[in-house]
Amino acid sequence: EIVLTQSPGTLSLSPGERATLSCRASQSISSSYLAWYQQKPGQAPRLLIYDASTRATDIPDRFSGSGSGTDFTLTISRLEPEDFAVYYCQQYGSSPLYTFGQGTILEIK
Amino acid sequence: EVQLVASGGGLVKPGGSLRLSCAASGFIFNSAWMSWVRQAPGKGLEWIGRIKSGTGSGTTDYAAPVKGRFTISRDDSKNTLYLQMNSLKTEDTAVYYCTTLTGYHFDYWGQGALVTVSS
Repeated sequence: EIVLTQSPGTLSLSPGERATLSCRASQSISSSYLAWYQQKPGQAPRLLIYDASTRATDIPDRFSGSGSGTDFTLTISRLEPEDFAVYYCQQYGSSPLYTFGQGTILEIK
Repeated sequence: EVQLVASGGGLVKPGGSLRLSCAASGFIFNSAWMSWVRQAPGKGLEWIGRIKSGTGSGTTDYAAPVKGRFTISRDDSKNTLYLQMNSLKTEDTAVYYCTTLTGYHFDYWGQGALVTVSS
């Protein structure tokens, strides 16, 4: 089983700042297999990034994804008030087919 | 606009059964791969199973914690996805989301259905 470890657990920043969220896989995965989601309280998750770096439909360009192998990053260039949420990375692999990281809480400082 | 509306959640006793439904609209359901993902209260996301489209033989795959107890099915004539849950355990308490599955990611999510397993 491939384990995804997200860091930090909680990130405290102010609007306008840059956020960098990390997702590390326990073994190398294809970039095609890595996605990022945003979840706000009481809401379903929303797809942000797939194939490690492709923005999903209607996702603002302040969100970007990068990385390869075992290290992947989600960057939010300038935080807007609505960006404060929980972020999950997800990978496709084998047994189980899909796994998620434990999440990073992005909170207002 | 893609819409996934889940229903059928509720309170059930350990060992009981429940069936969730997910009504889909806004896309070509019969060619879509679909999945269920759950989230226990205050916890992260857990994939529990998927069903391929009819053209993909409609086969299913499950995560280990639910294999043999949960069954995913679909009725393409009704644009509806189902999750039959048997032998429920307290640890199955969660919000259950139906999602579309494109490539290797979950692109659209329903609003979720809360299942509480408690005596």
